[in-house]
Amino acid sequence: QQQVKQSPQSLIVQKGGISIINCAYENTAFDYFPWYQQFPGKGPALLIAIRPDVSEKKEGRFTISFNKSAKQFSLHIMDSQPGDSATYFCAPQSGGSYIPTFGRGTSLIVHP
Amino acid sequence: DTEVTQTPKHLVMGMTNKKSLKCEQHMGHRAMYWYKQKAKKPPELMFVYSYEKLSINESVPSRFSPECPNSSLLNLHLHALQPEDSALYLCASSQGRGLSTETQYFGPGTRLLVL
Repeated sequence: QQQVKQSPQSLIVQKGGISIINCAYENTAFDYFPWYQQFPGKGPALLIAIRPDVSEKKEGRFTISFNKSAKQFSLHIMDSQPGDSATYFCAPQSGGSYIPTFGRGTSLIVHP
Repeated sequence: DTEVTQTPKHLVMGMTNKKSLKCEQHMGHRAMYWYKQKAKKPPELMFVYSYEKLSINESVPSRFSPECPNSSLLNLHLHALQPEDSALYLCASSQGRGLSTETQYFGPGTRLLVL
């Protein structure tokens, strides 16, 4: 059973464009919704995260939108830059289990 | 200091070798993890240590043997590996308080090639 479905698998955008990555989940016990960013040859690093009591969180060019009823959350990257080229993982967590459930990942390429 | 360090960065070993991967953090975290990551795949949880005790073993073959000598160190001992074990091995740590909002801090990984 795939608890977390992430899409698209890969994404190519032009510099300055908007990148959107989606994550759908089944486990209603999830109550923390982070996105991790991983550059080649590096470990994943927390990019931005949201709690279910808010519908949107913005940090600079990065925004998480959360839809509890649809059990979906998404990452929006505004004004995408070549330096944003990386793999992005949604990785929701549930109370009592502080271990993330990783999505399959999205490879983002931003062309100059 | 929010850094998790891992050594070595790269490792090539034969199927009969014994080697160890090392991980260290000085953030006072009490949960430490080993993950295996294949190319273009998400990290796959192998082991979790909580307060220096093994709390989760995700049915990992016995050729992988974890060890947590103290709250800052985590080792992964390797013996009689198979070529399919070639992967990036990631260490991570988190506070270990059992809160869903805990952030995992990952090291850069050890790139392992088994010949």
